[in-house]
Amino acid sequence: DADVTQTPRNRITKTGKRIMLECSQTKGHDRMYWYRQDPGLGLRLIYYSFDVKDINKGEISDGYSVSRQAQAKFSLSLESAIPNQTALYFCATSDNIAGGTTDTQYFGPGTRLTVL
Amino acid sequence: DQQVKQNSPSLSVQEGRISILNCDYTNSMFDYFLWYKKYPAEGPTFLISISSIKDKNEDGRFTVFLNKSAKHLSLHIVPSQPGDSAVYFCAASKWTGNQFYFGTGTSLTVIP
Repeated sequence: DADVTQTPRNRITKTGKRIMLECSQTKGHDRMYWYRQDPGLGLRLIYYSFDVKDINKGEISDGYSVSRQAQAKFSLSLESAIPNQTALYFCATSDNIAGGTTDTQYFGPGTRLTVL
Repeated sequence: DQQVKQNSPSLSVQEGRISILNCDYTNSMFDYFLWYKKYPAEGPTFLISISSIKDKNEDGRFTVFLNKSAKHLSLHIVPSQPGDSAVYFCAASKWTGNQFYFGTGTSLTVIP
């Protein structure tokens, strides 16, 4: 079984709809992240969480919210989806290396979201 | 403003030859760097990393070089194999920071 799973894998929705993307991990990591990938822009950080009670905005948090329901679960919500939120969304986890920032990040397979 | 840049969107190399992927960064505070590899329909997977106290790190066919004065790193793959065909992302962070900054990716095609 995959260590980091994302549901759904593909989603088509309409402008104005609320949508939630879910991420679960079995790696036992404290840190979880949401990124989006757009052509020509690489991966950009939306939100990150270092433990269940910790939520932080990344580079591009506007229009998004997150919920860390448990150590293993981190959800991303689009309250009112718009077409420029069409992108590939990745969840990632990492361990907490003592004395410094994260080391390797482990990514889920991605969710392709299309907003019409 | 893109703090990590990969100026070559694509690269084609013959099997058995060397592949060199380049990455530049603008933030002199970055001191930890990674390369990720991504196949279609999959998430990125970690390949190799380097901290700023080193200028080279090797792992099998993969070597990363860091030139701090030029704010430049490169990934060398020798010899290149068709299975190396993927998109490669470089990423940078401060060792005491909270997030990684990713480049835009380079699509490598290794021609058999």
